[in-house]
Amino acid sequence: DIQMTQSPSSLSASVGDRVTITCQASQDISNYLNWYQQKPGKAPKLLIYDTSNLEIGVPPRFSGSGSGTDFSFTISSLQPEDIATYYCQQYDNLPFTFGPGTKVDIK
Amino acid sequence: QVQLQESGPGLVKPSETLSLTCTVSGGSISSYYWNWIRQPAGKGLEWIGRIYSSGSTNYNPSLKSRVTMSVDTSKNQFSLKLRSMTAADTGVYYCARESNSGYYQPFDYWGQGTLVTVSS
Repeated sequence: DIQMTQSPSSLSASVGDRVTITCQASQDISNYLNWYQQKPGKAPKLLIYDTSNLEIGVPPRFSGSGSGTDFSFTISSLQPEDIATYYCQQYDNLPFTFGPGTKVDIK
Repeated sequence: QVQLQESGPGLVKPSETLSLTCTVSGGSISSYYWNWIRQPAGKGLEWIGRIYSSGSTNYNPSLKSRVTMSVDTSKNQFSLKLRSMTAADTGVYYCARESNSGYYQPFDYWGQGTLVTVSS
């Protein structure tokens, strides 16, 4: 299985701050990396697919980059509604695997 | 707008079999892969497996010996059976669609999730 790691596991930032989360795969996954947002009590929501493509309707303050084994996810200006846990997920190989998540909070 | 809705018992006894169904509305079940994903309370996401509308399946090797998935295209539903349930299987179970029928795809539509508790 491909192991996914994320850092940090949690962060606290102010409204308007730039926030970056990193995700690392245990082997080369090319660009087959997605990012999901999960709010408490809700299902995950796809934000970014294929490393850097914004899902329809997702605000452009969210972005992603990377390739191979190292990836990053950025919120350019944190908003109160962005409070959530963010997960990366690889879909280069089965079984699909997720990172452990990064919980984002407002300072 | 595609919608997915999980249904099934919220409480399962240890050693028994969990049976969940996901009903798809607002679109056809045909020509997509349909997935089951679970999340223990306060923890991360684990992919259980997927089924294509034709019935072909892929399972997570960690659960493969206990999992069976099936699809009923006439009802626009797909199902999960997980045998020999233990407390470690407690959590929220989600169904989700892969975004199109290509190789492997992101999960673009999710059900709201259903909480399953394993307890006697």
